[in-house]
Amino acid sequence: DAGITQSPRHKVTETGTPVTLRCHQTENHRYMYWYRQDPGHGLRLIHYSYGVKDTDKGEVSDGYSVSRSKTEDFLLTLESATSSQTSVYFCATHSGRETQYFGPGTRLLVL
Amino acid sequence: ELKVEQNPLFLSMQEGKNYTIYCNYSTTSDRLYWYRQDPGKSLESLFVLLSNGAVKQEGRLMASLDTKARLSTLHITAAVHDLSATYFCAVDVRATSGTYKYIFGTGTRLKVLA
Repeated sequence: DAGITQSPRHKVTETGTPVTLRCHQTENHRYMYWYRQDPGHGLRLIHYSYGVKDTDKGEVSDGYSVSRSKTEDFLLTLESATSSQTSVYFCATHSGRETQYFGPGTRLLVL
Repeated sequence: ELKVEQNPLFLSMQEGKNYTIYCNYSTTSDRLYWYRQDPGKSLESLFVLLSNGAVKQEGRLMASLDTKARLSTLHITAAVHDLSATYFCAVDVRATSGTYKYIFGTGTRLKVLA
């Protein structure tokens, strides 16, 4: 299994505060993704990265930004958290056109 | 709009029975992925189907791909309680950046009853 960690694993925050989630991988994978998982919606792509400093938007990118300054780290920032961003966030990576490897997830509650 | 649809969304079945989960997708993709997710856990890869007609089997699970029909199936043979989980299919589509984006179905929640 790919070495993918996410931090924090759980977070409770208040509406309007900024929040940053971190994904760290030790596999030297080029591609990294952020998804959110909500009941009835499966996994929805927020942003993804295809290299250091190379990122693009997914289907639900509004209210989120990302940064990737190193191969191993992909940060997801909620600029001003809203209750609709309460979700479970998963990071995933892969190296080529192959299956994705998922991190353990971060449970975020926005009050 | 790219869509990946699974049915059924919920499946409750008796141990020992057989059943099939269906995954339909709207884009032209020659590759399909199946994942399993246990409650409160992350996703783990089950199968990667690389071409039309591909069939993969592991234990009581068998997956197949028909790219012409844009359909994949996940067949469960003689279900056991340990197979209780949510199963997701996904396809990859080429993005403008040249890489691939993965589109997931909504998942099929399987419960196997003793």
